[in-house]
Amino acid sequence: DAGVTQSPTHLIKTRGQQVTLRCSPKSGHDTVSWYQQALGQGPQFIFQYYEEEERQRGNFPDRFSGHQFPNYSSELNVNALLLGDSALYLCASIGTSGYNEQFFGPGTRLTVL
Amino acid sequence: RKEVEQDPGPFNVPEGATVAFNCTYSNSASQSFFWYRQDCRKEPKLLMSVYSSGNEDGRFTAQLNRASQYISLLIRDSKLSDSATYLCVVSGSGSARQLTFGSGTQLTVLP
Repeated sequence: DAGVTQSPTHLIKTRGQQVTLRCSPKSGHDTVSWYQQALGQGPQFIFQYYEEEERQRGNFPDRFSGHQFPNYSSELNVNALLLGDSALYLCASIGTSGYNEQFFGPGTRLTVL
Repeated sequence: RKEVEQDPGPFNVPEGATVAFNCTYSNSASQSFFWYRQDCRKEPKLLMSVYSSGNEDGRFTAQLNRASQYISLLIRDSKLSDSATYLCVVSGSGSARQLTFGSGTQLTVLP
């Protein structure tokens, strides 16, 4: 049983560019949350997707957008990249049985130059 | 004020020591409570959930005090493999049950 997968593992972009990160949840999981983890900080909630819609959003600007596909995989898009967007982006997969455990993928490390 | 605050650390302890981490949270409507462990440059992994009655998993004991909005983690007989960052996490009351993380406390167990 594959766990949560994310791609790419690393990415380098320049200011003003756009980036798309991808996540495939664990088999049988239908909900995906995205988190941003800056160096030395805990992860911060960006948004959650369920049934192909954004269910809840954290305190992030509209430059951050997402999508969920019918197979439950998800994308995170960030437009007009800023230096401060450099971080580890984590995807968490949640099963239908509840929220007691959210399984995290290995993350995508984004560097904005 | 941060929603979840932890001891800043870092904690450097010898093998076999007992170490305690503390955490406070500000949202009294928080529903669920956890400790996650994060190894360097890896993803967070659930260490244990925390219940009001207190719970133990081997060398790890977690406590929750809802009245004072305080969470703790005790690690007994520390092993080298316990070296990691420990994240205090609370879950919200909204439909998404988003996780709110503390900044983490770094633990290094020394030989």
